[in-house]
Amino acid sequence: GQNIDQPTEMTATEGAIVQINCTYQTSGFNGLFWYQQHAGEAPTFLSYNVLDGLEEKGRFSSFLSRSKGYSYLLLKELQMKDSASYLCASMDSNYQLIWGAGTKLIIKP
Amino acid sequence: GAVVSQHPSWVICKSGTSVKIECRSLDFQATTMFWYRQFPKQSLMLMATSNEGSKATYEQGVEKDKFLINHASLTLSTLTVTSAHPEDSSFYICSARDQSGGDQETQYFGPGTRLLVL
Repeated sequence: GQNIDQPTEMTATEGAIVQINCTYQTSGFNGLFWYQQHAGEAPTFLSYNVLDGLEEKGRFSSFLSRSKGYSYLLLKELQMKDSASYLCASMDSNYQLIWGAGTKLIIKP
Repeated sequence: GAVVSQHPSWVICKSGTSVKIECRSLDFQATTMFWYRQFPKQSLMLMATSNEGSKATYEQGVEKDKFLINHASLTLSTLTVTSAHPEDSSFYICSARDQSGGDQETQYFGPGTRLLVL
């Protein structure tokens, strides 16, 4: 079956670094997405990985290992506004997104 | 980046009425649009895939006669919740796939529509 696993909740301190992990099992693979979702809003796109390795985009980086079915989202220099849910989603062979339940990230001052 | 809009943002209606939600791709053409529903503290759940000029493909458990989808143009898909009931109250989110230039991968999400059925 298809499955996406990510931690339910994480807590980090303002200014620190946090890594949110995601493991996936999907029918075919056409890339791994990370989305950020603030409460009451639609998820916004953060990153897309289809090749192994690290993609850096400002304070956010995303890593993919296809052989391990594993990805992580790395957030640096955490700010209070980074408090949100982070959704991991894998695109299957039909180009449809299989979503994880999301990781709620709590940033403390 | 590409922009997807939804209208209305909020809708409150009486039980038994029908509600239409529009999803528009503003600066690209989308042959495929997706409709999601999200309940509080849950991830997005795909309801249906809307294909321009053809019938929508519904996910298992989603009633196609209750959630009518029309994708009449390359920039507009509509979701009509017919005979809405309080249990239909949810956050409805659409997304559109920008396939210009052969990009199959990225979906752009609309801001969502909150439906409250009284």
